[in-house]
Amino acid sequence: QLVLTQSPSASASLGASVKLTCTLSSGHSSYAIAWHQQQPEKGPRYLMKLNSDGSHSKGDGIPDRFSGSSSGAERYLTISSLQSEDEADYYCQTWGTGMVFGGGTKLTVL
Amino acid sequence: QVQLVQSGSELKKPGASVKVSCKASGYTFTSYAMNWVRQAPGQGLEWMGWINTNTGNPTYAQGFTGRFVFSLDTSVSTAYLQISSLKAEDTAVYYCARSIVVVVAATDYWGQGTLVTVSS
Repeated sequence: QLVLTQSPSASASLGASVKLTCTLSSGHSSYAIAWHQQQPEKGPRYLMKLNSDGSHSKGDGIPDRFSGSSSGAERYLTISSLQSEDEADYYCQTWGTGMVFGGGTKLTVL
Repeated sequence: QVQLVQSGSELKKPGASVKVSCKASGYTFTSYAMNWVRQAPGQGLEWMGWINTNTGNPTYAQGFTGRFVFSLDTSVSTAYLQISSLKAEDTAVYYCARSIVVVVAATDYWGQGTLVTVSS
């Protein structure tokens, strides 16, 4: 069964970097994922599509501070030079015959 | 630029029906699949299914069969979500989201969301 697992919360200081993790279920380590950001009281915003080899393509207007990487079944989103507006929920998404979202990670910028 | 503009918030009584629209612009509507995603209050994103904008064929995720109907009007580049026999637990924000290709895939553009509140 295709499942994505995310830590419920993360925190980092203003100006620092943070790395969020999304883990694919067993047998699905070759799957691509997408990362989405949802700021408070807003709809989701597509950040990037991230392949198993770490290559990624970002959405329109997504700053260079956002990058993605992969290792085995893990998919990462790294946000550098954290800003207050980066405080949001981050969801990973994958797809096969259907589509699945991870439970989301709430990022707090201290 | 690509835009998905959804219809406004709805307040409905239990047992009623609601139809949410999602008007697309800035791209060829029939070249990309359209997905529907639900977000209950304080919860995460839940995929409801998708519709092939070429053929009009809908696919519903588990838990979204029977009362949920996806449809299209390609002449006005609009996708619709209809929910019948509304229940309190249908209270949520509903999003349309475009896939990056014509089938199920990453969603690169989202509507602003439509809040549907079901209350007597």
